[in-house]
Amino acid sequence: AQKITQTQPGMFVQEKEAVTLDCTYDTSDQSYGLFWYKQPSSGEMIFLIYQGSYDEQNATEGRYSLNFQKARKSANLVISASQLGDSAMYFCAMREGSSSTSGTYKYIFGTGTRLKVLA
Amino acid sequence: DAMVIQNPRYQVTQFGKPVTLSCSQTLNHNVMYWYQQKSSQAPKLLFHYYDKDFNNEADTPDNFQSRRPNTSFCFLDIRSPGLGDAAMYLCATSRGGDWYNEQFFGPGTRLTVL
Repeated sequence: AQKITQTQPGMFVQEKEAVTLDCTYDTSDQSYGLFWYKQPSSGEMIFLIYQGSYDEQNATEGRYSLNFQKARKSANLVISASQLGDSAMYFCAMREGSSSTSGTYKYIFGTGTRLKVLA
Repeated sequence: DAMVIQNPRYQVTQFGKPVTLSCSQTLNHNVMYWYQQKSSQAPKLLFHYYDKDFNNEADTPDNFQSRRPNTSFCFLDIRSPGLGDAAMYLCATSRGGDWYNEQFFGPGTRLTVL
């Protein structure tokens, strides 16, 4: 069964430093997508970055990059040059396969990591 | 800008008094989702629609119902809210299709049950 594991309930990082948030996943499907979302205290889920199972390059979006290690089934989020506004809850999520075969459009979420950026 | 809109942002209801939360989208996405999220927890999927096809999660209580009258709108009805239903309710959309499509979330409705 598909599963997302985020083992860090909370993390601290000093402003302007880089931080890595861990995510491991379990799936038997060859085709899947991995997503990271940021959720500030206001509650809205903000899409950050996507990595596809067939992508050979690690995804990058501005200060966000994804360290994708397929053999280890990990998709860690790296935030460079942390800012105070990065303080939030971060969720890793996965969507499996083709809906034409799975018949589903569901995304599985991890339990999240709360990041606090210190001034 | 295309977006997902939820109304109201904050809803207070009384124990047992029916309440309806609404979600609309301008993205023209096929799939709409309702999630329940309690403090510091992952969002929990309640149900989703692909167009008018309804998919209920096995552990979603019967107290929760949903309607999708057209592509743009989706409603969450809580027939008899209990104290345990106090939570953030998130609506999301996606294009459907395959695994590379991300979800777009609305700002959420925070429900308080008195």
